[in-house]
Order: sequence, then structure tokens, then C-alpha cells
Amino acid sequence: GPKVLQIPSHQIIDMGQMVTLNCDPVSNHLYFYWYKQILGQQMEFLVNFYNGKVMEKSKLFKDQFSVERPDGSYFTLKIQPTALEDSAVYFCASSTDWGGGQDTQYFGPGTRLLVL
Amino acid sequence: AQKVTQTQTSISVMEKTTVTMDCVYETQDSSYFLFWYKQTASGEIVFLIRQDSYKKENATVGHYSLNFQKPKSSIGLIITATQIEDSAVYFCAMREVDYNVGDNSKLIWGLGTSLVVNP
Repeated sequence: GPKVLQIPSHQIIDMGQMVTLNCDPVSNHLYFYWYKQILGQQMEFLVNFYNGKVMEKSKLFKDQFSVERPDGSYFTLKIQPTALEDSAVYFCASSTDWGGGQDTQYFGPGTRLLVL
Repeated sequence: AQKVTQTQTSISVMEKTTVTMDCVYETQDSSYFLFWYKQTASGEIVFLIRQDSYKKENATVGHYSLNFQKPKSSIGLIITATQIEDSAVYFCAMREVDYNVGDNSKLIWGLGTSLVVNP
């Protein structure tokens, strides 16, 4: 199936530092998403991004979080400053905007973030 | 409120048998979309199959098929002729129609069912 790439695969940082998670979505996809998965818990939606704008976000998408995709490069999730509870696996996903059944979200392999 | 429930925490089966994984959902929408993904041991999340609520025929892709029972808000995943490599965690997810976002709204996920296929 379509491939979404994520860089880095693992990241360990100290609490309070800034971290940027990078996502390379499927080439013709225009909708981008971040989800958060804590071990043993439900996968939870963070944010949905389209045409340079946040379309929807959950209550987990705190003020310390931001997303962007400058000039068609990586779709990024930035956390500044990080907190201990941000430790999780972050999954990027992308989908087309064609509708009619073409909107299946395809996921990257995840970035495992550990905040110490 | 939107909710997806997978009651089976784990299932163990023998290779080449058929397994069914349960999923029930809650939604106020008359139109919605249901998905099954699997998460492999490496953490990769792979899309398997989907069912759009307005379609009466159960979806089938390869050795995956769905048992969609709309009156019961149920969408079971059936895997026939299981293989060792089917061992993974299987997630059920739902997407409602969000008229602000259109077809590309968020997925609501279940907790997952761990499947172990034994030789």
C-alpha cells in the first residue's frame, strides 16, 4: 500500500526541550494527521491539517503543540516545551481529498518519543 | 458520543483456521465509515479493509472479510485461512461525517485485539 515515512523512529529528550517530529506523506495526498498512542491505551487523534491550515484538533493538541508543512516538505509536529506526559508513539497519516472512498488514511511507522 | 469497543483483548488460533474479531461502535450519524487496521510487531499500522455504512454488501479483500450488522452497530473482521504472519494487533476504527472537514475527518479507535496464530 501507499507509504508514509516518519523521521526519526526514536527520540529521547529532556523535559522542557523542544522536539520536532517529521512526516513524509504519500506523494499525492493532501490531508495530514497526527495520532498519539500510549502503550496499552487507545490510539487518539491529535490534529488534521489541509491546505496549510489546521482543520480539526482534539483536546490533546495542547498549546505547546504546532503543525506545519512548509513548501510541500515534511509535515511536522513540534512540541515546545515537552512534558513527561508527551511520552508516546506518534503516528502520522495522510489521505487524499477525493472523497468517494478515496479517503482512507495511511499511516507511517511512528516516532517513539521518550521525555525524561 | 462516538465510541468504538473491541471486547476481545487477545485471541490465539491455529494456522489455517478462520478467526472472527468483534467490534461494536456508537454513533449518532446515519452515514459513517468503518475501518480495520493491523499493527505489526514492529509497530507498523497497515490498512486492511473498510465498510461504508450505506453499503449493504459486506466488504471483502483477499482473506479479509467483514460481517457488517448495522442494526447491532457491529462490524466484525473475519480472517480465513490464517497464516503465522497474520499475528498482530487488529484495530477497528470509525469515521463520522464532519461537514466542516468533509471526507477526511478523524478516526475513532478501539483498543485493539491481539491475534496470535500458532503453527
